[in-house]
Amino acid sequence: EPEVTQTPSHQVTQMGQEVILRCVPISNHLYFYWYRQILGQKVEFLVSFYNNEISEKSEIFDDQFSVERPDGSNFTLKIRSTKLEDSAMYFCASKGGYATEAFFGQGTRLTVV
Amino acid sequence: AQTVTQSQPEMSVQEAETVTLSCTYDTSESDYYLFWYKQPPSRQMILVIRQEAYKQQNATENRFSVNFQKAAKSFSLKISDSQLGDAAMYFCAYRSLYLGGSEKLVFGKGTKLTVNP
Repeated sequence: EPEVTQTPSHQVTQMGQEVILRCVPISNHLYFYWYRQILGQKVEFLVSFYNNEISEKSEIFDDQFSVERPDGSNFTLKIRSTKLEDSAMYFCASKGGYATEAFFGQGTRLTVV
Repeated sequence: AQTVTQSQPEMSVQEAETVTLSCTYDTSESDYYLFWYKQPPSRQMILVIRQEAYKQQNATENRFSVNFQKAAKSFSLKISDSQLGDAAMYFCAYRSLYLGGSEKLVFGKGTKLTVNP
């Protein structure tokens, strides 16, 4: 069964460093998303991406964040200068068409020290 | 803006028994999707069941069923014949179906379900 794959599963980084979280969505999907979940809290929307551009972003998704689909298969989330409060589980999701459900990856646990 | 409320932070059920998880939501839209996602200790988000608001019939998936009350904006999940593997966090989520509306999922805070042997 096709699945969304995220790498790495866990990343530890020092405050102020740049990190890139990687996702390989399901191959024929068109809509891509990043969500995050701070430990013990609810899942929050960060950004949606369609037709090679951001279609929506949340207040959390400030200038420190960027997304890219560099080669037609990967979908990346970059955090330019990480802060302690960026420590969270980051989920990538994709869906095929407009009226379909999103499938989530297994998440990347980001720890900023 | 849409909101999703799960009023039960934790629930427990005996193996083989039935449990119902509650979810209410607030929206001014008439067309939308509602979802229940399961998050086991591995923390992966797994879709359990989906309900389209325009469908009057409640969705069912094997042991999982929903009670969708559109007028009351209520969307509860019933798990029948509970199994140890059902133990997880369960998140209720909303998504607009309005063309041009938001694509994002809006999640509740979750209910932690414990299944006792």
